[in-house]
Amino acid sequence: DVKVTQSSRYLVKRTGEKVFLECVQDMDHENMFWYRQDPGLGLRLIYFSYDVKMKEKGDIPEGYSVSREKKERFSLILESASTNQTSMYLCATKPGQGLIYGYTFGSGTRLTVV
Amino acid sequence: KQEVTQIPAALSVPEGENLVLNCSFTDSAIYNLQWFRQDPGKGLTSLLLIQSSQREQTSGRLNASLDKSSGRSTLYIAASQPGDSATYLCAVPLYSGGGADGLTFGKGTHLIIQP
Repeated sequence: DVKVTQSSRYLVKRTGEKVFLECVQDMDHENMFWYRQDPGLGLRLIYFSYDVKMKEKGDIPEGYSVSREKKERFSLILESASTNQTSMYLCATKPGQGLIYGYTFGSGTRLTVV
Repeated sequence: KQEVTQIPAALSVPEGENLVLNCSFTDSAIYNLQWFRQDPGKGLTSLLLIQSSQREQTSGRLNASLDKSSGRSTLYIAASQPGDSATYLCAVPLYSGGGADGLTFGKGTHLIIQP
């Protein structure tokens, strides 16, 4: 089974801090994604990557950046954390460009910005 | 752009009942649809993936159907158990072009199975 590991389950950070959320997968999937989940708004796509050093903006990229230096690792960066970035963050992966594959999610990181 | 709606938003039923969760989507040019389960405070667990060429997929007590032409999918849960209590999410690709473009999700159905 594909394993998608998010390094922290819970994080508390201060306003203005630079925050790194890490996601690591062990099955050589090309595609990796970052979502945030908020009550009433559901899951929304922040950024995704289809290859090393490649990135694409999702629906809500403002205030975030990403890094993919190795195939197995996809980092979400909050350049200057703000309270409205308090949320559940979920990483997902998907193999290749094939249309038959589904997505696999990590267990999430609950980030609180104070 | 694709939009996904799930009905009902919440459902509470006694143990043992069969139940149906509904999902509708606006753009019928999807190539697959995926159902997930989410327990409180946890990540998403994939339940079923239905390809556009398929009408149904089954896994144990779960059966998902897909009607692309009407933009609908249903998740049928047979003989519900308290352990089925969770939020169920339906998701389709953001765009119909295929490839790695992420998913758009419904807001989910929060299911409670009473012992």
